Amino acid sequence: GQQLNQSPQSMFIQEGEDVSMNCTSSSIFNTWLWYKQDPGEGPVLLIALYKAGELTSNGRLTAQFGITRKDSFLNISASIPSDVGIYFCAGQLGYTGANSKLTFGKGITLSVRP
Amino acid sequence: DGGITQSPKYLFRKEGQNVTLSCEQNLNHDAMYWYRQDPGQGLRLIYYSQIVNDFQKGDIAEGYSVSREKKESFPLTVTSAQKNPTAFYLCATRGRLATYNEQFFGPGTRLTVL
Repeated sequence: GQQLNQSPQSMFIQEGEDVSMNCTSSSIFNTWLWYKQDPGEGPVLLIALYKAGELTSNGRLTAQFGITRKDSFLNISASIPSDVGIYFCAGQLGYTGANSKLTFGKGITLSVRP
Repeated sequence: DGGITQSPKYLFRKEGQNVTLSCEQNLNHDAMYWYRQDPGQGLRLIYYSQIVNDFQKGDIAEGYSVSREKKESFPLTVTSAQKNPTAFYLCATRGRLATYNEQFFGPGTRLTVL
């Protein structure tokens, strides 16, 4: 099955820095979702994007739905130690049936140095 | 306390045994999903169900079975036919169809086959 492209696999930043993560696909999606997962836990939804070009914020997080519908990015500003975790992007075609399934990237592991 | 419950958190089984993983939700969500996560990988869809008494295969359904007899419950059975059953299993739910696309995840069950 298809997977979304997230790279690099790991990122290391200093506390207080901003970080940006990109997610790309060879095919279009109509919804983009960003999740964060802590070790041994289920992913937690951070931001959902529904419209091409849409820019949405959630606290220090900002995400954009690419205009081509084939990419999305997530930006974290002023990072703090609790931002450590794995960040997944996911794309979805529609609301029902097989279109409702999520296609995931492999995730980016973020480390924040105090 | 509302949410998605998966039990147990850790499960150990001998090779050749079937095992059933529980997923219960009290969110009144219509759709439920089962994903498998392997180290360094994104989530892959096993099965999904949009309504009671109906379910569909995902991308990696071989060696798994499900049932959806109640709206609140979507148990997953890992059968002896699954060649590499050791993994982290995640259950997710989604609200009213054709309205919401966000999927919310439970805490997961880590299955280890010895």
